[in-house]
Amino acid sequence: AQSVTQPDIHITVSEGASLELRCNYSYGATPYLFWYVQSPGQGLQLLLKYFSGDTLVQGIKGFEAEFKRSQSSFNLRKPSVHWSDAAEYFCAVGAGGNKLVFGAGTILRVKS
Amino acid sequence: GAVVSQHPSWVICKSGTSVKIECRSLDFQATTMFWYRQFPKQSLMLMATSNEGSKATYEQGVEKDKFLINHASLTLSTLTVTSAHPEDSSFYICSAREGIRVSNQPQHFGDGTRLSIL
Repeated sequence: AQSVTQPDIHITVSEGASLELRCNYSYGATPYLFWYVQSPGQGLQLLLKYFSGDTLVQGIKGFEAEFKRSQSSFNLRKPSVHWSDAAEYFCAVGAGGNKLVFGAGTILRVKS
Repeated sequence: GAVVSQHPSWVICKSGTSVKIECRSLDFQATTMFWYRQFPKQSLMLMATSNEGSKATYEQGVEKDKFLINHASLTLSTLTVTSAHPEDSSFYICSAREGIRVSNQPQHFGDGTRLSIL
């Protein structure tokens, strides 16, 4: 069965510092991978997606993610975090049919 | 582009009443919409997949008679929580997927509905 692991429940970074959110997936075939962001009390916004091709994917708001098949990972990165990036981030794998399987989420706190 | 509108954004009602939540894709056609439930500080749990013109597919453990789903057009799906009770209080989120191919199109999410049953 497909699964997504986000090892970090909370991460705190200083404004202007770099960020990396970890995501590991379990899926037998080539996965479709997504990162979403959720602000409190709101729905999810798509940051970026990976289907095939270039393993380094650029998204909105200055985010990028790299697909590493050998490590079954799809980590999200941003070189310089802004206070407005504070939110919860979900990694998801789209696999086998219609479903998205989400990780448990990582809450990002940004300190000034 | 790819905007999904969900209404209402919050609702408070008495136990025993039924509540309808609407999910609309505003600028694209969605043959498939999804309904999720999110408990505080937890991830999204898929409740059902809503297919235009056919019956919804419910996940294991989700009561289909409790959570009625109708997907009558390519831009609208509704979730009705029937005879709601306090344990149904939660944050419900819908999403819609463009196109007809499975899996590789991203889902676009509504802003969610906060349901509180007194």
